Amino acid sequence: DAGVTQSPTHLIKTRGQQVTLRCSPKSGHDTVSWYQQALGQGPQFIFQYYEEEERQRGNFPDRFSGHQFPNYSSELNVNALLLGDSALYLCASSLGGGFVDTGELFFGEGSRLTVL
Amino acid sequence: QKEVEQNSGPLSVPEGAIASLNCTYSDRGSQSFFWYRQYSGKSPELIMFIYSNGDKEDGRFTAQLNKASQYVSLLIRDSQPSDSATYLCAVERAAGNKLTFGGGTRVLVKP
Repeated sequence: DAGVTQSPTHLIKTRGQQVTLRCSPKSGHDTVSWYQQALGQGPQFIFQYYEEEERQRGNFPDRFSGHQFPNYSSELNVNALLLGDSALYLCASSLGGGFVDTGELFFGEGSRLTVL
Repeated sequence: QKEVEQNSGPLSVPEGAIASLNCTYSDRGSQSFFWYRQYSGKSPELIMFIYSNGDKEDGRFTAQLNKASQYVSLLIRDSQPSDSATYLCAVERAAGNKLTFGGGTRVLVKP
């Protein structure tokens, strides 16, 4: 049973560039959430996708956008990269769009983004 | 005031002892509470969750919740070197899996 998979695992970008990160949820899951984890801090919620729509959003600027595909996979896009965007980006999958609280969020191993 | 606060540590614990981790939260509307373990360079993994006031035990782990005091704790009994990690407390206001995390407590278990 495949867990949550993310790609790429590591990437380096320069300020002003754009980046796309990808996530495939755990088999059977239909909801994808994205979190940003800066070094030494806890993850911060970016947004959540369910039924191909953004359902919830955290306190992140519009430079952060996403998409969910019919197969439930998801992309996170960040435009006009800043040095402060350097972080581990975590994808988490769950079931039911949050309407059913399963009590568990499955995290992928993350994509580590370095902005120079 | 941060929404979820944890002592960053490190909390140094001898092998075999009990590690006690604390977490406070500011949103009285929080309904669900989670403890995650995160090894260095890895993603968070769920240890346990608790919804109701009181204690919940799972193996060597016990979560304790006091909603009136807005306080949740995690006890790790018979600590092992493999328990050395950062422990993240997370809260959820309502079903939806939007979690608010604390900064984590780093635990070091010394043989």
